[in-house]
Amino acid sequence: GIQVEQSPPDLILQEGANSTLRCNFSDSVNNLQWFHQNPWGQLINLFYIPSGTKQNGRLSATTVATERYSLLYISSSQTTDSGVYFCAADRGGNQFYFGTGTSLTVIP
Amino acid sequence: GAVVSQHPSWVICKSGTSVKIECRSLDFQATTMFWYRQFPKQSLMLMATSNEGSKATYEQGVEKDKFLINHASLTLSTLTVTSAHPEDSSFYICSAYGQGLSPLHFGNGTRLTVT
Repeated sequence: GIQVEQSPPDLILQEGANSTLRCNFSDSVNNLQWFHQNPWGQLINLFYIPSGTKQNGRLSATTVATERYSLLYISSSQTTDSGVYFCAADRGGNQFYFGTGTSLTVIP
Repeated sequence: GAVVSQHPSWVICKSGTSVKIECRSLDFQATTMFWYRQFPKQSLMLMATSNEGSKATYEQGVEKDKFLINHASLTLSTLTVTSAHPEDSSFYICSAYGQGLSPLHFGNGTRLTVT
């Protein structure tokens, strides 16, 4: 499978701050998704973004496939944004390989 | 749409017993299902890819005789952890893919504890 690395591994933010999470992948990919895993383990789809830029409220994501990275932007962070963020990449056939994760804590 | 249901959500079993976990696609036909495993504070590791009507393809290092996968219909795949041991305690998550559907959809996971 492909190697997927995320940075930073841990992030602590003051409520209202902005942040950028990065996902690097070792090979060309067909698909890339960003997920938020809540404390109960549920994976919440944030973005399906093989290339380009998408926005959904305070969140946006950009994937530059030719340079093998994706970025997740969180603006005006809230305590409910806390949790672990994963990116997952697929070379084809929908076999997604997950990144190492970024654990985000937003403090009031 | 595109709901994936996983059952049970948690299970506790004794060492040496077998446990079956079900993954169902509720409103679409899943030609392919995937099984992942997640240890505490770690990432999700792909265990195997399951195609309807054929044998599962296991990732390197995953024991196929230990983790039996059956994908007998287009809406159901099962993972059986045979002769479970405490080191098999983990969070198991399935995902499903249907033709023309994207993104990939995940079940809510099963937390297995082997005592």
